[in-house]
Amino acid sequence: GAGVSQSPSNKVTEKGKDVELRCDPISGHTALYWYRQSLGQGLEFLIYFQGNSAPDKSGLPSDRFSAERTGGSVSTLTIQRTQQEDSAVYLCASSSIAGGVGNEQFFGPGTRLTVL
Amino acid sequence: DQQVKQNSPSLSVQEGRISILNCDYTNSMFDYFLWYKKYPAEGPTFLISISSIKDKNEDGRFTVFLNKSAKHLSLHIVPSQPGDSAVYFCAAGDSGTYKYIFGTGTRLKVLA
Repeated sequence: GAGVSQSPSNKVTEKGKDVELRCDPISGHTALYWYRQSLGQGLEFLIYFQGNSAPDKSGLPSDRFSAERTGGSVSTLTIQRTQQEDSAVYLCASSSIAGGVGNEQFFGPGTRLTVL
Repeated sequence: DQQVKQNSPSLSVQEGRISILNCDYTNSMFDYFLWYKKYPAEGPTFLISISSIKDKNEDGRFTVFLNKSAKHLSLHIVPSQPGDSAVYFCAAGDSGTYKYIFGTGTRLKVLA
């Protein structure tokens, strides 16, 4: 079956512009995560959606970052007024259960964002 | 403050030999641990996990060992194959969480 897909695969933008990154999770997966991997760093948790519950936004680095998940499926991560330090690979993952043993997260290929 | 650390950024191993990747954590509340493998231009893929009620979990050529007192886990790959060349991330969390903390990864290169 189809895995997690993300678009675009690469995005180059100028400092100050807004960008939107899209994630299509695996069908039926109720949990969706966004992570960021900066050069030489591990995966940094950004935000988590589970069903109709309020998202956990505790990992968003600033108020320039926001995300939504429409209809419990597709998610969009928006970065406003991009800065050079936002350059990173943005990874989306989904899982069929919310947590605990067996909470295997399936990752998309990521969007490489470069802010000039 | 990194709660999950992979202190070796890279490792090279000869084909057929054992690869040992290490991971240390600081939070004693963590009781569930995972390893992911990542190839270039792809997302991480789940490899193997272990909960704190066990000290070893084996899946084919991959074995994860957990030393709770030392807050240390390791991934053993035996025998190593060139296709195992990838970046390996460990992740940790408490079993009720949805939020895992990932290490910075170790790049494994298996030499033919």
